[in-house]
Parts: sequence; C-alpha cells; structure tokens
Amino acid sequence: EIVLTQSPDTLSLSPGERATISCRASQSVTNTYLAWYQQKTGQPPRLLMYDTSIRAGGNPDRFRGSGSGTDFTLTISSLEPEDFAVYFCQQYGTSPVTFGGGTKVEIK
Amino acid sequence: QVQLQESGPGLVKPSETLSLTCTVSGESINNYYWSWIRKPAGKGLEWIGRIHGSGSANFSPSLKSRVTMSVDTSRNQLSLKLTSVTAADTAVYFCARNRGSRGYLESWGQGTLVIASS
Repeated sequence: EIVLTQSPDTLSLSPGERATISCRASQSVTNTYLAWYQQKTGQPPRLLMYDTSIRAGGNPDRFRGSGSGTDFTLTISSLEPEDFAVYFCQQYGTSPVTFGGGTKVEIK
Repeated sequence: QVQLQESGPGLVKPSETLSLTCTVSGESINNYYWSWIRKPAGKGLEWIGRIHGSGSANFSPSLKSRVTMSVDTSRNQLSLKLTSVTAADTAVYFCARNRGSRGYLESWGQGTLVIASS
C-alpha cells in the first residue's frame, strides 16, 4: 500500500502567516488522486481539496493544493483564526486508500 | 443535505465483536459508496473499507479477515462488524460518503469512540 508521510508534524504560526504542509507518497499517486482534509477537535474531518488542486465547495481560495507524482503540498496563504486545526492528506488512486499521519497547525 | 450518524456500544471486550451502525438521512444509500474510517488517539486516519448501496464491498487488506460490512436499504443504514478486537482497535470510528465512485470522502458522520477493554 502507498504510505503517505506528512511534514512537519506541527506547524506553529501566527494569524496572517503562510502555512505550507507537505505530503510525500512512497510511490507515485495515480492520476494525482490526492485529497486534503481539515479536522478540528471534536469534529469529523472536512474535505478541503480533491484531485490535488480542486477546492471542495465552500472552501476559501486561501487554500491551495499542488503537486504530482510523489510530492504534494497544501498551502494556506494567510492563516485565519479558524484555520488552526489538523490537516490530513489522502491518496485514492491506488487501493487501499491511505491517509497521512496529519499535521497540526497551531497558534504561535 | 446528507447527514450521517454512527451508533453502537462504546466499550467492547477483547476478543469480542465490535458492531456499529451508521444511519443516513437526507439521501438514499442506494446509489452511493459509503466508507468506514477510524482514528486511534494520537494517530492518523485508517480506512477500513467501503460498501455500495447495492451491497458490494471492498476492505483494507490489513483488516479484511475481521471485517464485515452490510447495508439495510429499508432503514437507510450501514453496518460495520469487526471481530476479535484487541486494544489496537480502540479508536473513533467514522462513516462517510464517497463522492460517486471516487475514493475521497465528502460527507462525514460525527464519529463514535469505541474502546476495546475488559
């Protein structure tokens, strides 16, 4: 199965700063079938991006996904207070579907 | 708007069977794929498997030997059974709806904590 490694584990930033989260796959992700989710404490994950770079409905354009092959990135251009959360990547191009370990974006 | 709600015992004894139900409202389960995912405390998300409203399913290879999934279209419910549980199965369990036949998950239930302990 494809192993997804996210880095860093924790990102300590201030509101207004740029966040960059990496998701590296152990083998190429078919068709760039990679999604990102945001999870806040006590809530389920919420779909942010799919197919690497398509924002799911209702998500603001400060969220940007990019990448191909084995290297993918989620960028939040300017952090808003509601963006402090845990972010997970997921590949769905090869069965079984797998997730990254998560990156916590916390307030510095 | 579709809503999903997981339910079931919050405590399961080791070696016994974990049984959960996901009740779906706002949408018929017939025409969608539905997934089960779990998240152990302090760890990442783990995909357990998915099932279509028609009943066809596929599972994570690491859990396949212990997992059963089914649908009850009359009640608009999904069910998950995991046999021979151990402490390693302690996690928050989520049901979620796939986008069409795709593997990403566009709607999630709130999740339910299951603790495997005597």
